[in-house]
Amino acid sequence: DTAVSQTPKYLVTQMGNDKSIKCEQNLGHDTMYWYKQDSKKFLKIMFSYNNKELIINETVPNRFSPKSPDKAHLNLHINSLELGDSAVYFCASSPTGGVHTGELFFGEGSRLTVL
Amino acid sequence: DAKTTQPPSMDCAEGRAANLPCNHSTISGNEYVYWYRQIHSQGPQYIIHGLKNNETNEMASLIITEDRKSSTLILPHATLRDTAVYYCIVELSGSRLTFGEGTQLTVNP
Repeated sequence: DTAVSQTPKYLVTQMGNDKSIKCEQNLGHDTMYWYKQDSKKFLKIMFSYNNKELIINETVPNRFSPKSPDKAHLNLHINSLELGDSAVYFCASSPTGGVHTGELFFGEGSRLTVL
Repeated sequence: DAKTTQPPSMDCAEGRAANLPCNHSTISGNEYVYWYRQIHSQGPQYIIHGLKNNETNEMASLIITEDRKSSTLILPHATLRDTAVYYCIVELSGSRLTFGEGTQLTVNP
């Protein structure tokens, strides 16, 4: 079983559309994250949720809205997509958030291409 | 968070030890050193982390200098599957990680 799974793996869409990426973890972790890897391969945190509550929001445009229906799921909804949103989005989870954890488990990534 | 500096690329022969250096001269006393790697088109994979002492696990060893301004990740017997980008990250809690450019390690047969 995949520990952290994301869907879809690939997403191609037009500018201005709204799209969602889903993430699920079966590790029993309390904390989940969304990271963005841009064309230069830099990987940066966007959001972090601990037990369904937002704990990190790294100055991401409000077109990006994470939603955590339960602690095993963290979905990312993006409104009014722009060309610059093209990237690979990684979901991750860890046993605890806000304190030293040591290890994040990442999903395989969702490659978003905005045309 | 402290900035890290890594060589952009390194080569290693299969079966030999791969020693990947990282400079973090501005590290503060309570910041940890984390190492992750990313194999092409996959999600990053945690390798090891440490604060002051050297650490070893089934994947690698982490050697941190006494002044904590640099560290070395050691893969004792590199295989072709170890070819990846290796990231050295310095951070307080391990949750707000920012990955830099890393080192592209190529293991050659």
